[in-house]
Amino acid sequence: AQSVTQLDSQVPVFEEAPVELRCNYSSSVSVYLFWYVQYPNQGLQLLLKYLSGSTLVKGINGFEAEFNKSQTSFHLRKPSVHISDTAEYFCAVSHGGATNKLIFGTGTLLAVQP
Amino acid sequence: GAVVSQHPSRVICKSGTSVKIECRSLDFQATTMFWYRQFPKKSLMLMATSNEGSKATYEQGVEKDKFLINHASLTLSTLTVTSAHPEDSSFYICSASIPSGSSEQFFGPGTRLTVL
Repeated sequence: AQSVTQLDSQVPVFEEAPVELRCNYSSSVSVYLFWYVQYPNQGLQLLLKYLSGSTLVKGINGFEAEFNKSQTSFHLRKPSVHISDTAEYFCAVSHGGATNKLIFGTGTLLAVQP
Repeated sequence: GAVVSQHPSRVICKSGTSVKIECRSLDFQATTMFWYRQFPKKSLMLMATSNEGSKATYEQGVEKDKFLINHASLTLSTLTVTSAHPEDSSFYICSASIPSGSSEQFFGPGTRLTVL
C-alpha cells in the first residue's frame, strides 16, 4: 500500500529565506509524485509533478522538487520565499492512470513572516 | 486549460435538508471525477471516485446512501448530501482527471457546507 509522510505540520520562515518542505513516500512499485498548494478556503493548485525522467522538477512560483528513489523522498524547495507563499502544501503519490487515486500527505503549513 | 468549477461555493442549510453540489470540468472531458472532504486544518479525505455512466466507488466508511454521487455526463458530477446534520459541515472539494492522464487531478475551488 502507498502512503505519504509529511513530518512537518508547520514550517515558519522569514521572508526571502530559503525553505524545504519534506515529503517521504512508501510504495512497492513505481510512483508518480505531486506537490499541491492550497490557499485559505480554496481548492488545490498543482505546483509540480514527477512522472519520469529528470529527478529535479521545476514548478510554478519558483518552486522545485527532487525525486530521490533511494531515500523515497520528494522534498519541495524554494530559494527565497515571499509572504504570498504562505499556504498549506500537500504532497501526493499515485501509481498512475486517470482513474487512479491520489494519496495525500497530511500537509505542511508554510508560514512566511516579514 | 483544465479548469474545474464547483457550485455553490458556500451553502448554509437546516438540519434534515438535502444539499446538492455540482462539479464541472469546463474545458475538458473528465471520465473520472473525485470527491473529497476536508476538515479544518486536515488533509483531504477521498470520499468516492465517480466514473461517467456508472456507479461511484465509495471509500471505506463513507455512507453511499448519505452522500449520493451522480456522474451523468463527461463534464458534470454531483454530490448530494442527504438529510444533512451538523456533523456533515465541512469543506467539500471535487477534482477531475483527464483520460490519458498520469493521475494528475484538477481541483475545483471547493464548497463550504454549514448545517445548522
